[in-house]
Amino acid sequence: QQQVKQSPQSLIVQKGGIPIINCAYENTAFDYFPWYQQFPGKGPALLIAIRPDVSEKKEGRFTISFNKSAKQFSLHIMDSQPGDSATYFCAARSETGANNLFFGTGTRLTVIP
Amino acid sequence: DSGVTQTPKHLITATGQRVTLRCSPRSGDLSVYWYQQSLDQGLQFLIQYYNGEERAKGNILERFSAQQFPDLHSELNLSSLELGDSALYFCASSVRVEGPGELFFGEGSRLTVL
Repeated sequence: QQQVKQSPQSLIVQKGGIPIINCAYENTAFDYFPWYQQFPGKGPALLIAIRPDVSEKKEGRFTISFNKSAKQFSLHIMDSQPGDSATYFCAARSETGANNLFFGTGTRLTVIP
Repeated sequence: DSGVTQTPKHLITATGQRVTLRCSPRSGDLSVYWYQQSLDQGLQFLIQYYNGEERAKGNILERFSAQQFPDLHSELNLSSLELGDSALYFCASSVRVEGPGELFFGEGSRLTVL
């Protein structure tokens, strides 16, 4: 059973567009929500993360929006660039567990020049 | 470069065989995690070790086992391999055992079972 559901599976945008990737969860014990970025042939790398006590976090062109009541969170990429083309994974960690993460199924983003 | 080293990068073997994947964590990291990445299921958590001891278990099959050695490197053993075990296996490490904390991933070991 997938504990974190992610959509869409793939996304194609023009350069400068704002791709949005959405994730949803059910486990109310989740207390940390990171996004990882993965380039072909590489392992995932942390991009940005949020705790449920805030509704939004920005780091450069990347923004996480968090809706605790709806148990949803999303990643927005402002002014997207071809170099942002990668697979993005949302994830969640349970406050009752160890530091292991439960990942979504990933979104393959392609930014067209 | 994350500092996490995985070997081998690619491995091709036959059904029924046994393989061992190796992971060296970042210098100073005591916690090691194993994940399986397949096309349709994304990254699935298998198991976590902290300073030599098993800390958490996920969807790890009984045919799979892992351990973390005193020098903190870890090995994932996959036995009685089936076609469905073909996947990318990632190792990650972190300083902390309790979170939240960043996980640093290696580049993965791609296993193909024929």
